[in-house]
Formats: sequence, structure tokens, C-alpha cells
Amino acid sequence: GEDVEQSLFLSVREGDSSVINCTYTDSSSTYLYWYKQEPGAGLQLLTYIFSNMDMKQDQRLTVLLNKKDKHLSLRIADTQTGDSAIYFCAEPHRSSNTGKLIFGQGTTLQVKP
Amino acid sequence: KAGVTQTPRYLIKTRGQQVTLSCSPISGHRSVSWYQQTPGQGLQFLFEYFSETQRNKGNFPGRFSGRQFSNSRSEMNVSTLELGDSALYLCASSPGTAPYEQYFGPGTRLTVT
Repeated sequence: GEDVEQSLFLSVREGDSSVINCTYTDSSSTYLYWYKQEPGAGLQLLTYIFSNMDMKQDQRLTVLLNKKDKHLSLRIADTQTGDSAIYFCAEPHRSSNTGKLIFGQGTTLQVKP
Repeated sequence: KAGVTQTPRYLIKTRGQQVTLSCSPISGHRSVSWYQQTPGQGLQFLFEYFSETQRNKGNFPGRFSGRQFSNSRSEMNVSTLELGDSALYLCASSPGTAPYEQYFGPGTRLTVT
């Protein structure tokens, strides 16, 4: 199918690490993306990973890619209250490797002080 | 660089009316994609325009249409509005080449009564 799957909710304490998981569908996807959406706002591109990479690190963000299991994860180190938001993973639709993205349903991250 | 702008930000229409939403992409970006976001269906792809041509299309009825101008600005139109068209409409701007990363505007909140 075309469904990108994510768990719906994650709650962590401030200062802990958060790990948000995603299962995608198309093993031929060349790029995979993570977006963040705060209330009342559009989507903010956090990072993306090329499919020939296993890991990508960008400051507090670490993306891990397991192509065999079609599993993608986003780790946020030292999570802050400002990280509270909905996080979406996305892959290109199999018919297009360009502007047609399929999004997961989003994971709501709640950070408790 | 200025980000993606969308106008108007909020809109209230009645059933049967039509509406036009506008999107100005990031300077130099040639691709504009449109998405509909609702609590029930999540983020769904409407269409993508690249250099004034529709490059990809989602599974929406013909009441939803779009176009792109020579300056890359894009409009989408919804005719004969239905209650179910109430949603946040997001526009995304992309260079249109690999890694096809998309940058989103703040969205237009459409309410149909």
C-alpha cells in the first residue's frame, strides 16, 4: 500500500532524548524527509536523508535509516519544551520522485518540564 | 531569502461558491505543490506545478484545479464548494531538482459553511 506509518503520540521529559519512528512503503525511495508542524503553522522541513545513507546527524537531530526494514527514525537529543509539535515523515510517491510526497499521520511529541 | 507566502490566511465561504488561493514560492524555486490537511485524512497531495506545467496530480475531483504563472507563483481554485472542503491548504515550494526538498507556507484555512 501507500501508507506511511507513525505512532501517534510520544511523551518525554525535558532534557531526555526523543525517538520518533516511521515505516515507509517504497524501497526505491531516494529521499526521505522529516517535517515539524507547530500549532497553527505550516510544515517546517527539519532534515532529509538520501537512501544510500544509514545515518545523518544535524545538531540535536539524528536520522537513522534501515532500508531492509523500510524503517526511519528521528532522534532529538536534549529535548526542549519548544520541541513540542507534530512530526511527520514523508516519502515520494512511487510514481514520482519529485514533488508528490506521501506523509505519515504525524506523531505528536509532548515535552513535560 | 523570503519564505513561502500564501494569501489569504483565512477564508470563510458558503457551499456552492468557488474560491481561489494564492501561493508565492521562494525566489528561484520552480516547483509548487499543494496539499490539503484535515484532521481525518491528514496531509493529502493535490498537485504539483513545475515551470508552468502540471507535473503530478493527486486523487481529487475536477473541482480542484491549479495553475502556475511564469514567475512561479501559483493559484489553486476550488469550484462548487462542499462542507468537506473545509481544511488547511498548504503550498510547498521546491527547487524542483534533487533532493526535491519542499518548503511550506503557513497555509490558508478554508471554512465552508
